[in-house]
Amino acid sequence: EDQVTQSPEALRLQEGESSSLNCSYTVSGLRGLFWYRQDPGKGPEFLFTLYSAGEEKEKERLKATLTKKESFLHITAPKPEDSATYLCALFSGGYNKLIFGAGTRLAVHP
Amino acid sequence: DTAVSQTPKYLVTQMGNDKSIKCEQNLGHDTMYWYKQDSKKFLKIMFSYNNKELIINETVPNRFSPKSPDKAHLNLHINSLELGDSAVYFCASSQDFGEKLFFGSGTQLSVL
Repeated sequence: EDQVTQSPEALRLQEGESSSLNCSYTVSGLRGLFWYRQDPGKGPEFLFTLYSAGEEKEKERLKATLTKKESFLHITAPKPEDSATYLCALFSGGYNKLIFGAGTRLAVHP
Repeated sequence: DTAVSQTPKYLVTQMGNDKSIKCEQNLGHDTMYWYKQDSKKFLKIMFSYNNKELIINETVPNRFSPKSPDKAHLNLHINSLELGDSAVYFCASSQDFGEKLFFGSGTQLSVL
């Protein structure tokens, strides 16, 4: 069965303290791995899509990478405005749907 | 101009009532979805429509009935509401399956 597991559940960082969020997955046929950001009281907002192992994408302080078993979201020198829940999701071609992980709640303190 | 808009934002109702949530997208997308986010923030797909046709119907109680009058609208009607239906419901759209999703801001449903 296709599955997505995110770790840690919650992460507290000081401003400027770089770290990484993990998304492990098992899938019969990966057709895309997605990262979303969700702020309290809002819907998830798209960040990146990765399609094949070795692919990397960057946006400001965020960088997403992909291997055959996991994806990382690296946050470099985070700021308080980066505080949010980060969701990983994989698109399973076998089921034609997006399967979400439970998310990592990130808090960045000044 | 909001891309995916859903109403109402908050819905508080008694057990046994029937309620509806409306969703509209102005992105010209062909595919629309309903997701449920439980108290642990876990997002799970309920339904997906492509060009008004139901494509995915997860194991959702048949008290939940989606309706797509046209490809820009996907509404969710819930009959005989139960306590366990309390959650945040998100509407989303994408150009096609496997493309990035655009989400509405959610409807927080509280069943008392």
